[in-house]
Amino acid sequence: NAGVMQNPRHLVRRRGQEARLRCSPMKGHSHVYWYRQLPEEGLKFMVYLQKENIIDESGMPKERFSAEFPKEGPSILRIQQVVRGDSAAYFCASSPASGGEENIQYFGAGTRLSVL
Amino acid sequence: RKEVEQDPGPFNVPEGATVAFNCTYSNSASQSFFWYRQDCRKEPKLLMSVYSSGNEDGRFTAQLNRASQYISLLIRDSKLSDSATYLCVVRGGGYNKLIFGAGTRLAVHP
Repeated sequence: NAGVMQNPRHLVRRRGQEARLRCSPMKGHSHVYWYRQLPEEGLKFMVYLQKENIIDESGMPKERFSAEFPKEGPSILRIQQVVRGDSAAYFCASSPASGGEENIQYFGAGTRLSVL
Repeated sequence: RKEVEQDPGPFNVPEGATVAFNCTYSNSASQSFFWYRQDCRKEPKLLMSVYSSGNEDGRFTAQLNRASQYISLLIRDSKLSDSATYLCVVRGGGYNKLIFGAGTRLAVHP
């Protein structure tokens, strides 16, 4: 059973370009979460999605950032017009169900975005 | 005040030592509690869930005190391979988002 798959693992963009980060959840998981980790900081929640629905986007910056989880295909985190401050590790996690004591989130290896 | 607070360390201990990490959280409505481990430039991996009754997994023991909003992790007989950053994680009420502490760094030396 493959784990959470993220690609690319490393992404380099120049200021003003767009970054697209992809995440395929574990088999059987229907809930996807995106987190961002700035250098020397803890992970910060960005957005929680189910298929075709954004459930909680309270951690998403108001501008330039968007996320989707279509009926078919991976979840996409999109950053438009990247700036140097967007350089970070972006982790995706998935879980099988909502709520409950054992709703464990499993993390992908992350995408490291570097903005030049 | 941060939602989840941890001592950043680093804790430098010799092999075989016992080391304890503490964590406090601010939201009394928090429902679930975890310790994750993160190696340098890698993804967080679940170490163990934390229950009010306390739980043990081999050399690792976790405790939760809901009244004090306090979580602890005890590592006995430290191994070199235990060197990592330990993340205290809380899942809040309502939605499923995880709130991470900034992590406590542990370095185990020969």
